[in-house]
Amino acid sequence: DQQVKQNSPSLSVQEGRISILNCDYTNSMFDYFLWYKKYPAEGPTFLISISSIKDKNEDGRFTVFLNKSAKHLSLHIVPSQPGDSAVYFCAASVNNDYKLSFGAGTTVTVRA
Amino acid sequence: DAGVIQSPRHEVTEMGQEVTLRCKPISGHDYLFWYRQTMMRGLELLIYFNNNVPIDDSGMPEDRFSAKMPNASFSTLKIQPSEPRDSAVYFCASSFKGARGTEAFFGQGTRLTVV
Repeated sequence: DQQVKQNSPSLSVQEGRISILNCDYTNSMFDYFLWYKKYPAEGPTFLISISSIKDKNEDGRFTVFLNKSAKHLSLHIVPSQPGDSAVYFCAASVNNDYKLSFGAGTTVTVRA
Repeated sequence: DAGVIQSPRHEVTEMGQEVTLRCKPISGHDYLFWYRQTMMRGLELLIYFNNNVPIDDSGMPEDRFSAKMPNASFSTLKIQPSEPRDSAVYFCASSFKGARGTEAFFGQGTRLTVV
């Protein structure tokens, strides 16, 4: 039973536009959320995270929004660049547990 | 630091054979994780260790799967006997205490194909 769900397997966006990736979770105990980025033939790399005490965290072109009541988070990439083409995984963890639960991933393609 | 190192990068084996995947975590990291990536389920946690001790192996799919961590710098994931449905990319990752909720560092993965 997947506790973290990314319902959009793919997203195509034009260069310079905004990419919005969505993630839903079912476990109300999750209190830390992360986004990972993965290029082909490489392992996932950490992108950005947010604690449940916040509703927004920004790092350059990347912003993560958290809506606890809806058990929903999103990742915004503005502006999208060709190098952003990758698979993005949403992940979550419960306090004092290093175990991460991942979603299935969303493949982003940025068109020139 | 070279990061998390996994070997082999690719493995093709016949059904019924034993497969051993290897991982060297980042020095100083005391948590080690084994994940499996499939198209349908994304990244699934199989097992993780803290200070070389298995903490949670609830993700290990069957008794055919086993993992060991004999010391802080080495871990193995073994499948015996292997089956075609085990074909996937297997990732090892490590993290360190004090980085609660912070990222785990992943290796490049081992792509396993069982024919």
